[in-house]
Amino acid sequence: QKEVEQNSGPLSVPEGAIASLNCTYSDRGSQSFFWYRQYSGKSPELIMSIYSNGDKEDGRFTAQLNKASQYVSLLIRDSQPSDSATYLCAVVSGGYNKLIFGAGTRLAVHP
Amino acid sequence: DAGVTQSPTHLIKTRGQHVTLRCSPISGHKSVSWYQQVLGQGPQFIFQYYEKEERGRGNFPDRFSARQFPNYSSELNVNALLLGDSALYLCASSYRDEQFFGPGTRLTVL
Repeated sequence: QKEVEQNSGPLSVPEGAIASLNCTYSDRGSQSFFWYRQYSGKSPELIMSIYSNGDKEDGRFTAQLNKASQYVSLLIRDSQPSDSATYLCAVVSGGYNKLIFGAGTRLAVHP
Repeated sequence: DAGVTQSPTHLIKTRGQHVTLRCSPISGHKSVSWYQQVLGQGPQFIFQYYEKEERGRGNFPDRFSARQFPNYSSELNVNALLLGDSALYLCASSYRDEQFFGPGTRLTVL
C-alpha cells in the first residue's frame, strides 16, 4: 500500500467550475498536511497547509482534513485555465519533518 | 526576499561520473531537505539537515551523500552515476513545518 495516494487524473473541469482533488494517507500519526502545485517543467509551489480537522480557506482554495478517515482534499473554486497543473499532496511522516508525496493529480481547466 | 536557490540548473553526466549539486536556503531557514523527482512521480525524500546535522535519510544507496555548511547552504553528492539517477533534484528549506522548494537541478545521465 502506498503511503500517500492520489488519483493521477487528468481531472478535466470547465472554467469557473469547482475542482475537487483528493488524497488518502496511511500513517495515522501524521499531523501536518500540504498541497503543492507543480507546473510542467517547474518545481513544486506550496499553496496550502492544514494541521487540524475541518476546513481551511485561502482565497479560491479550501483544504479539508479528516484525520479519522485519513483523508485530505483541496477544492479550487472558480477554476481558471492558469490552475492547470499537477497538484501534489504531501504528508509529514516520521520523527522529523520528512514529506511523503503522492504521485500527483493532473488538473486541466478548459475554457 | 530571495527564495531557495539551486545550482546548476541543468547537468549532463555519463555513467560512473560524480556530481555535486548546491542549494542555498531562504534567509533565516536552518533546515534543508533534498528530494529526487522522476517523471510522473512525486518527489522522494533523500536527506534532511538541520543546523549542519543529518536528521534523516531516505531509502537511497550510499552513493548519495550530503552536507550542510555553517551558512546553512547544502551540497548533495552522487557518486558512480547510473542511468536511473536521471531526475529533477529538489532542495527545500524550512523554518518550521512548511517546506519551500528551489527551482531544482535537472540531471541527465547518459
